[in-house]
Amino acid sequence: DAGVIQSPRHEVTEMGQEVTLRCKPISGHNSLFWYRQTMMRGLELLIYFNNNVPIDDSGMPEDRFSAKMPNASFSTLKIQPSEPRDSAVYFCASSLNVDSPLHFGNGTRLTVT
Amino acid sequence: QQQVKQSPQSLIVQKGGISIINCAYENTAFDYFPWYQQFPGKGPALLIAIRPDVSEKKEGRFTISFNKSAKQFSLHIMDSQPGDSATYFCAATFNNAGNMLTFGGGTRLMVKP
Repeated sequence: DAGVIQSPRHEVTEMGQEVTLRCKPISGHNSLFWYRQTMMRGLELLIYFNNNVPIDDSGMPEDRFSAKMPNASFSTLKIQPSEPRDSAVYFCASSLNVDSPLHFGNGTRLTVT
Repeated sequence: QQQVKQSPQSLIVQKGGISIINCAYENTAFDYFPWYQQFPGKGPALLIAIRPDVSEKKEGRFTISFNKSAKQFSLHIMDSQPGDSATYFCAATFNNAGNMLTFGGGTRLMVKP
């Protein structure tokens, strides 16, 4: 079991650039979550997919953020254009179904200068 | 609105001592309360969880105590070890929200040898 795989581990970009974060959930897991972690706001849920369908995106900060899950083994979180306040660690997590134990990836640390 | 308040923010305990972390919640609809452990550079990992139909749950050295009337729950780590040094997060959700977790702000635990 390789766990949830996120890439890249670190991303440094300039304000205004597009950033794409990637996630491969655990095989067979039907639910996928994107969380963001900052010192100020802690861990926040951004969006959640069930069977590749976005179920709740109420945590997505604004229209600059978008997430897709084109198939059961891949999801992306895109920020366009990026801003310094988007700097955070972004975690992807998956679970067998919506209320099974949640497995987090090791995160992508994003720095926007 | 911070629906789950966690204290203390940081905690230093001697090896062999008891570590106690407290959380309080506001939403009475919450009915699942997990604790997560996070090491530097890693994603949070589920440690132990409780539902409000019991007042205590124990797994090895880790115990959750739950007080429904006070809307509080706590994590006790018995015989704390240096390897327990990590950040601990409490969280809460309700039945049909599954893993759409509301996290506490985290407690950074250091266990001194």
